[in-house]
Amino acid sequence: AQSVAQPEDQVNVAEGNPLTVKCTYSVSGNPYLFWYVQYPNRGLQFLLKYITGDNLVKGSYGFEAEFNKSQTSFHLKKPSALVSDSALYFCAVRSRTGFQKLVFGTGTRLLVSP
Amino acid sequence: EAGVAQSPRYKIIEKRQSVAFWCNPISGHATLYWYQQILGQGPKLLIQFQNNGVVDDSQLPKDRFSAERLKGVDSTLKIQPAKLEDSAVYLCASSPGLAGYEQYFGPGTRLTVT
Repeated sequence: AQSVAQPEDQVNVAEGNPLTVKCTYSVSGNPYLFWYVQYPNRGLQFLLKYITGDNLVKGSYGFEAEFNKSQTSFHLKKPSALVSDSALYFCAVRSRTGFQKLVFGTGTRLLVSP
Repeated sequence: EAGVAQSPRYKIIEKRQSVAFWCNPISGHATLYWYQQILGQGPKLLIQFQNNGVVDDSQLPKDRFSAERLKGVDSTLKIQPAKLEDSAVYLCASSPGLAGYEQYFGPGTRLTVT
């Protein structure tokens, strides 16, 4: 069965500094990987995904993520954080076989201070 | 393009009562999902439909939860009878298909069972 680990409950970063939100996964075979963001009282919004090809994936709002197969990681990054990036971020993995259920991590709260 | 619609946005019921949630996916999306998100956790898939057929309902507590997607469009999720531990946000999502497609989420229904 697939699983996702987000080891940090919260990440604090100052505005203008680079940010990284960590994600590791476990799945049989090659994965589909996703990042979603959740703002208060709202549903999840898609940020980016890895399907195949280039290991560096670029997504919405200047975010990017790097797929590392050997380390089974898919860390979310942004070169320069904004206060408006403060939100709850979820990593998710989906198997390419079977029911292809999307499994989410527990989320990491990002707090960007002015 | 209209997003995923859900209603109601909030619901408070007493334990042992019943409740129903409604979801209207993005037009043309074949796949529809219901998730349960308990406070402090990532969303957990309850059931996913491909058109009007069930693809995966392995995590749906079938003794009290039921879902249907008539005509392959709108869907309803019902809980009867509710328990205290059902207090959560219920998210509906849709996507053009399975596999590598990202999912588009509605705003969710926050259920409180007292």
